[in-house]
Amino acid sequence: QQQVKQSPQSLIVQKGGIPIINCAYENTAFDYFPWYQQFPGKGPALLIAIRPDVSEKKEGRFTISFNKSAKQFSLHIMDSQPGDSATYFCAASGETAGNKLTFGGGTRVLVKP
Amino acid sequence: DVKVTQSSRYLVKRTGEKVFLECVQDMDHENMFWYRQDPGLGLRLIYFSYDVKMKEKGDIPEGYSVSREKKERFSLILESASTNQTSMYLCASSLRDEQYFGPGTRLTVT
Repeated sequence: QQQVKQSPQSLIVQKGGIPIINCAYENTAFDYFPWYQQFPGKGPALLIAIRPDVSEKKEGRFTISFNKSAKQFSLHIMDSQPGDSATYFCAASGETAGNKLTFGGGTRVLVKP
Repeated sequence: DVKVTQSSRYLVKRTGEKVFLECVQDMDHENMFWYRQDPGLGLRLIYFSYDVKMKEKGDIPEGYSVSREKKERFSLILESASTNQTSMYLCASSLRDEQYFGPGTRLTVT
């Protein structure tokens, strides 16, 4: 049973477009929602994260939108560039020993020049 | 910069072999994690540890065990490798929320 559902599995956009990746969670005890970016041959790296006390967070061209009542959050990549081509994972965690994360299934994003 | 290193990038083993995957972090992090990554399934937690000699089962612990004798080192053990354990294995460490990942070990069991 996947507690964090991510969609779509893959996405192709033209340079300058805005890929949007959506995630939905079930566990209302989750209170930390990060997004990780993974390039081929590398481990995932933290991109941006949000807590439920805000509905939106921006860091550079990356924006998280958070809807607590719907238990959904999404990643928007503004003015996407070919260098943004990567696999993106959403995740969630609550206050547990070790702060363990539950990950979504991943979205492969391709930004065409 | 945090560095998480994994002993091998690629590994090929035979069915029934005992397999050791090693992970070392250099930032004195208390928490360490082992995941497997499969297409469409994301990262699934196998085991984690929040202190030396402490271990907790993750979501898919069957067929795996772990060892953490020193704070900086976390080992994943496949007691008797099977073909369904062919996967990418990722190690991570954390102090609080952010997890830092190693580059992964692609394990093939034939």
